Amino acid sequence: DQQVKQNSPSLSVQEGRISILNCDYTNSMFDYFLWYKKYPAEGPTFLISISSIKDKNEDGRFTVFLNKSAKHLSLHIVPSQPGDSAVYFCAASEGRGSQGNLIFGKGTKLSVKP
Amino acid sequence: NAGVTQTPKFQVLKTGQSMTLQCAQDMNHNSMYWYRQDPGMGLRLIYYSASEGTTDKGEVPNGYNVSRLNKREFSLRLESAAPSQTSVYFCASSEWDVGSNQPQHFGDGTRLSIL
Repeated sequence: DQQVKQNSPSLSVQEGRISILNCDYTNSMFDYFLWYKKYPAEGPTFLISISSIKDKNEDGRFTVFLNKSAKHLSLHIVPSQPGDSAVYFCAASEGRGSQGNLIFGKGTKLSVKP
Repeated sequence: NAGVTQTPKFQVLKTGQSMTLQCAQDMNHNSMYWYRQDPGMGLRLIYYSASEGTTDKGEVPNGYNVSRLNKREFSLRLESAAPSQTSVYFCASSEWDVGSNQPQHFGDGTRLSIL
């Protein structure tokens, strides 16, 4: 049973517009959430994270929103650029009890068209 | 700054052969992890080492063994490779501590095919 779900396998967005990637989770013990970006033939690269005590975290063009009651988080990229084209993974951790272990979603492939 | 280095980058094995995947990090992190990624799937944790001298099973440990050689190095061994172990293997490290959330940093992976 998947604890972290990314229900959209792919997303296509025009350059300059907003990209919104979604992630749902089922484990209420998760208290730390991360987004990773992955290019082909490379390892995942850490993008942005959020603790469960916050509902928003922003870093440049990237903003992550957390809705704990809905067990939902989203990653907003504004404005989207062709270089953002990659697979984005959502991941979650139980924090204190997890020893840092992460549970990953299956990923969403983002294509940003010029 | 190399970060997390994995060797080899590619390997083809025959069923029943053994091999060791190497991982080294230069960030002085205490925790290290091994994941596998299969097509259309997220990363799944095989084994992890929360600190030097300790190792624990993750979600999919069967068919694998690990060694935390020192703080820098964490190896993954396939004793008798099976076609189901064809995958991309990623090593990661982090400075995890209770009460301090830190992201994991990944190597570029080892692409392993077992015939």
